[in-house]
Amino acid sequence: GAVVSQHPSWVICKSGTSVKIECRSLDFQATTMFWYRQFPKQSLMLMATSNEGSKATYEQGVEKDKFLINHASLTLSTLTVTSAHPEDSSFYICSARDPQRGLGGELFFGEGSRLTVL
Amino acid sequence: AQSVTQLGSHVSVSEGALVLLRCNYSSSVPPYLFWYVQYPNQGLQLLLKYTSAATLVKGINGFEAEFKKSETSFHLTKPSAHMSDAAEYFCAVSVNSGNTPLVFGKGTRLSVIA
Repeated sequence: GAVVSQHPSWVICKSGTSVKIECRSLDFQATTMFWYRQFPKQSLMLMATSNEGSKATYEQGVEKDKFLINHASLTLSTLTVTSAHPEDSSFYICSARDPQRGLGGELFFGEGSRLTVL
Repeated sequence: AQSVTQLGSHVSVSEGALVLLRCNYSSSVPPYLFWYVQYPNQGLQLLLKYTSAATLVKGINGFEAEFKKSETSFHLTKPSAHMSDAAEYFCAVSVNSGNTPLVFGKGTRLSVIA
Protein backbone atom coordinates (compact mmCIF):
# COMPACT_ATOMS: atom_id res chain seq x y z
CA GLY A 1 0.00 0.00 0.00
CA ALA A 2 0.92 3.65 -0.10
CA VAL A 3 3.48 4.70 2.48
CA VAL A 4 3.56 7.93 4.45
CA SER A 5 6.51 8.57 6.73
CA GLN A 6 6.90 11.11 9.52
CA HIS A 7 10.01 12.36 11.23
CA PRO A 8 10.81 12.65 14.05
CA SER A 9 8.76 10.07 15.92
CA TRP A 10 9.55 11.65 19.26
CA VAL A 11 10.75 15.14 20.06
CA ILE A 12 11.32 16.93 23.34
CA CYS A 13 11.99 20.64 23.34
CA LYS A 14 12.18 23.56 25.69
CA SER A 15 9.39 26.07 25.95
CA GLY A 16 9.84 28.91 23.49
CA THR A 17 11.70 26.94 20.85
CA SER A 18 10.39 25.84 17.45
CA VAL A 19 10.03 22.29 16.23
CA LYS A 20 9.66 21.04 12.66
CA ILE A 21 7.91 17.79 11.78
CA GLU A 22 8.28 16.32 8.30
CA CYS A 23 5.73 14.24 6.45
CA ARG A 24 6.73 12.42 3.30
CA SER A 25 4.79 10.30 0.83
CA LEU A 26 7.36 7.68 -0.12
CA ASP A 27 5.83 5.94 -3.12
CA PHE A 28 3.26 8.36 -4.46
CA GLN A 29 2.75 12.04 -5.08
CA ALA A 30 0.35 13.92 -2.86
CA THR A 31 -0.96 17.30 -3.87
CA THR A 32 -2.84 17.43 -0.60
CA MET A 33 -1.84 16.29 2.86
CA PHE A 34 -3.78 16.56 6.08
CA TRP A 35 -2.42 17.29 9.54
CA TYR A 36 -4.23 15.96 12.57
CA ARG A 37 -3.63 16.44 16.26
CA GLN A 38 -4.52 13.83 18.83
CA PHE A 39 -4.79 14.44 22.56
CA PRO A 40 -4.33 11.50 24.96
CA LYS A 41 -7.12 8.98 24.65
CA GLN A 42 -9.04 11.20 22.27
CA SER A 43 -9.91 11.23 18.61
CA LEU A 44 -8.08 12.92 15.78
CA MET A 45 -8.72 16.61 15.30
CA LEU A 46 -8.07 18.02 11.85
CA MET A 47 -5.70 20.96 12.09
CA ALA A 48 -5.16 21.92 8.48
CA THR A 49 -5.13 20.86 4.88
CA SER A 50 -1.75 21.26 3.25
CA ASN A 51 -1.79 22.06 -0.48
CA GLU A 52 1.29 21.71 -2.66
CA GLY A 53 2.39 25.08 -3.96
CA SER A 54 -0.19 27.12 -2.08
CA LYS A 55 -1.19 28.17 1.40
CA ALA A 56 -2.56 25.68 3.83
CA THR A 57 -6.20 25.79 4.86
CA TYR A 58 -6.57 25.87 8.63
CA GLU A 59 -9.51 24.66 10.64
CA GLN A 60 -11.34 27.06 12.87
CA GLY A 61 -9.53 27.65 16.13
CA VAL A 62 -6.11 26.56 14.87
CA GLU A 63 -3.52 29.31 15.08
CA LYS A 64 -1.87 29.57 11.68
CA ASP A 65 0.99 31.64 13.06
CA LYS A 66 1.79 28.99 15.63
CA PHE A 67 1.41 25.97 13.39
CA LEU A 68 3.20 26.79 10.16
CA ILE A 69 2.58 24.38 7.32
CA ASN A 70 4.63 24.25 4.17
CA HIS A 71 4.00 21.89 1.26
CA ALA A 72 7.13 22.45 -0.77
CA SER A 73 6.88 19.46 -3.09
CA LEU A 74 4.52 16.69 -4.09
CA THR A 75 6.08 14.37 -1.54
CA LEU A 76 6.85 16.61 1.42
CA SER A 77 4.82 18.66 3.86
CA THR A 78 6.20 20.15 7.05
CA LEU A 79 4.54 21.32 10.23
CA THR A 80 6.49 23.78 12.34
CA VAL A 81 5.32 24.46 15.86
CA THR A 82 6.65 27.92 16.61
CA SER A 83 7.45 29.18 20.09
CA ALA A 84 6.21 25.94 21.55
CA HIS A 85 4.61 25.84 24.97
CA PRO A 86 3.64 22.90 27.17
CA GLU A 87 0.03 23.06 25.95
CA ASP A 88 1.31 22.27 22.45
CA SER A 89 2.46 18.87 23.68
CA SER A 90 0.52 16.33 21.69
CA PHE A 91 0.62 13.58 19.08
CA TYR A 92 0.68 15.00 15.55
CA ILE A 93 -0.21 12.78 12.61
CA CYS A 94 -0.07 13.54 8.91
CA SER A 95 -1.96 11.75 6.17
CA ALA A 96 -2.43 11.74 2.43
CA ARG A 97 -4.33 10.06 -0.37
CA ASP A 98 -2.72 8.19 -3.23
CA PRO A 99 -4.50 9.54 -6.33
CA GLN A 100 -3.60 6.40 -8.29
CA ARG A 101 -5.72 4.21 -6.05
CA GLY A 102 -8.95 5.47 -7.58
CA LEU A 103 -12.21 5.30 -5.72
CA GLY A 104 -12.10 4.67 -2.01
CA GLY A 105 -10.73 7.86 -0.65
CA GLU A 106 -8.86 6.27 2.21
CA LEU A 107 -6.12 8.24 3.85
CA PHE A 108 -2.70 6.77 4.53
CA PHE A 109 -1.21 7.87 7.81
CA GLY A 110 2.27 8.55 9.00
CA GLU A 111 3.57 6.96 12.16
CA GLY A 112 2.86 10.12 14.15
CA SER A 113 5.15 12.48 16.03
CA ARG A 114 5.00 12.78 19.81
CA LEU A 115 5.90 16.33 20.86
CA THR A 116 6.70 17.07 24.48
CA VAL A 117 7.37 20.68 25.44
CA LEU A 118 9.08 21.18 28.77
CA ALA B 1 -21.59 18.08 6.79
CA GLN B 2 -20.73 14.56 7.76
CA SER B 3 -20.36 13.14 11.23
CA VAL B 4 -19.69 9.83 12.90
CA THR B 5 -20.85 8.55 16.26
CA GLN B 6 -19.16 5.61 17.89
CA LEU B 7 -21.22 4.09 20.66
CA GLY B 8 -19.11 3.02 23.60
CA SER B 9 -15.72 4.55 24.30
CA HIS B 10 -14.50 1.27 25.77
CA VAL B 11 -15.47 -2.29 24.92
CA SER B 12 -14.10 -5.30 26.75
CA VAL B 13 -14.42 -8.87 25.47
CA SER B 14 -12.98 -12.22 26.38
CA GLU B 15 -10.47 -13.89 24.10
CA GLY B 16 -12.39 -15.92 21.54
CA ALA B 17 -15.59 -13.94 21.95
CA LEU B 18 -17.38 -11.89 19.32
CA VAL B 19 -16.19 -8.35 18.80
CA LEU B 20 -18.82 -5.73 17.93
CA LEU B 21 -17.88 -2.07 17.65
CA ARG B 22 -20.68 0.29 16.73
CA CYS B 23 -20.58 3.19 14.29
CA ASN B 24 -23.39 5.38 13.03
CA TYR B 25 -22.87 8.07 10.44
CA SER B 26 -24.61 11.15 9.18
CA SER B 27 -24.19 12.31 5.62
CA SER B 28 -26.37 14.15 3.13
CA VAL B 29 -24.80 12.28 0.20
CA PRO B 30 -23.68 8.67 -0.19
CA PRO B 31 -20.65 8.29 2.02
CA TYR B 32 -17.38 6.46 1.96
CA LEU B 33 -16.89 4.77 5.34
CA PHE B 34 -13.75 3.47 6.97
CA TRP B 35 -12.52 1.66 10.03
CA TYR B 36 -9.00 2.30 11.22
CA VAL B 37 -7.03 0.73 14.06
CA GLN B 38 -4.42 2.51 16.15
CA TYR B 39 -1.89 0.89 18.44
CA PRO B 40 -0.22 2.98 21.18
CA ASN B 41 2.04 5.73 19.87
CA GLN B 42 1.48 4.73 16.27
CA GLY B 43 -0.36 6.10 13.29
CA LEU B 44 -3.59 4.67 11.93
CA GLN B 45 -3.89 1.54 9.85
CA LEU B 46 -6.82 0.93 7.55
CA LEU B 47 -8.87 -2.13 8.48
CA LEU B 48 -11.52 -1.87 5.79
CA LYS B 49 -13.54 0.56 3.71
CA TYR B 50 -16.99 0.85 2.16
CA THR B 51 -17.21 2.49 -1.24
CA SER B 52 -20.66 1.32 -2.38
CA ALA B 53 -19.42 -1.77 -4.21
CA ALA B 54 -20.76 -4.22 -1.60
CA THR B 55 -22.57 -3.71 1.66
CA LEU B 56 -20.61 -6.41 3.51
CA VAL B 57 -16.96 -5.47 3.56
CA LYS B 58 -14.16 -7.77 4.63
CA GLY B 59 -10.95 -6.34 5.95
CA ILE B 60 -7.66 -7.39 7.39
CA ASN B 61 -7.14 -9.48 10.52
CA GLY B 62 -10.54 -11.16 10.22
CA PHE B 63 -12.60 -8.00 10.65
CA GLU B 64 -15.66 -7.17 8.61
CA ALA B 65 -18.32 -4.48 8.57
CA GLU B 66 -21.77 -4.17 7.08
CA PHE B 67 -23.16 -0.98 5.61
CA LYS B 68 -26.83 -0.53 6.46
CA LYS B 69 -28.26 2.55 4.83
CA SER B 70 -31.62 2.25 6.56
CA GLU B 71 -29.91 2.30 9.94
CA THR B 72 -27.08 4.66 8.88
CA SER B 73 -24.72 2.20 10.49
CA PHE B 74 -21.37 0.63 9.72
CA HIS B 75 -20.63 -1.66 12.65
CA LEU B 76 -17.34 -3.54 12.87
CA THR B 77 -17.31 -7.21 13.84
CA LYS B 78 -14.91 -10.07 14.31
CA PRO B 79 -16.10 -13.58 15.20
CA SER B 80 -13.31 -14.40 17.62
CA ALA B 81 -11.19 -11.87 19.48
CA HIS B 82 -7.44 -12.29 19.84
CA MET B 83 -5.26 -10.63 22.43
CA SER B 84 -3.52 -8.79 19.60
CA ASP B 85 -6.79 -7.05 18.70
CA ALA B 86 -6.54 -4.84 21.78
CA ALA B 87 -6.21 -1.32 20.37
CA GLU B 88 -8.12 1.87 19.60
CA TYR B 89 -10.58 1.70 16.72
CA PHE B 90 -11.83 4.68 14.76
CA CYS B 91 -14.73 4.91 12.36
CA ALA B 92 -14.47 7.64 9.73
CA VAL B 93 -16.55 9.11 6.92
CA SER B 94 -15.85 10.99 3.72
CA VAL B 95 -18.04 12.00 0.82
CA ASN B 96 -15.52 11.86 -1.98
CA SER B 97 -12.01 10.78 -2.77
CA GLY B 98 -10.74 14.22 -3.62
CA ASN B 99 -9.19 16.79 -1.39
CA THR B 100 -11.52 16.39 1.56
CA PRO B 101 -10.31 15.05 4.88
CA LEU B 102 -11.84 12.19 6.81
CA VAL B 103 -14.12 12.96 9.72
CA PHE B 104 -13.43 10.64 12.63
CA GLY B 105 -15.53 9.33 15.45
CA LYS B 106 -14.26 9.61 19.01
CA GLY B 107 -12.86 6.11 18.94
CA THR B 108 -13.52 2.89 20.85
CA ARG B 109 -10.85 1.24 22.93
CA LEU B 110 -11.05 -2.53 22.68
CA SER B 111 -9.70 -4.60 25.56
CA VAL B 112 -9.34 -8.36 25.23
CA ILE B 113 -9.32 -10.40 28.41
CA ALA B 114 -7.51 -13.73 28.55
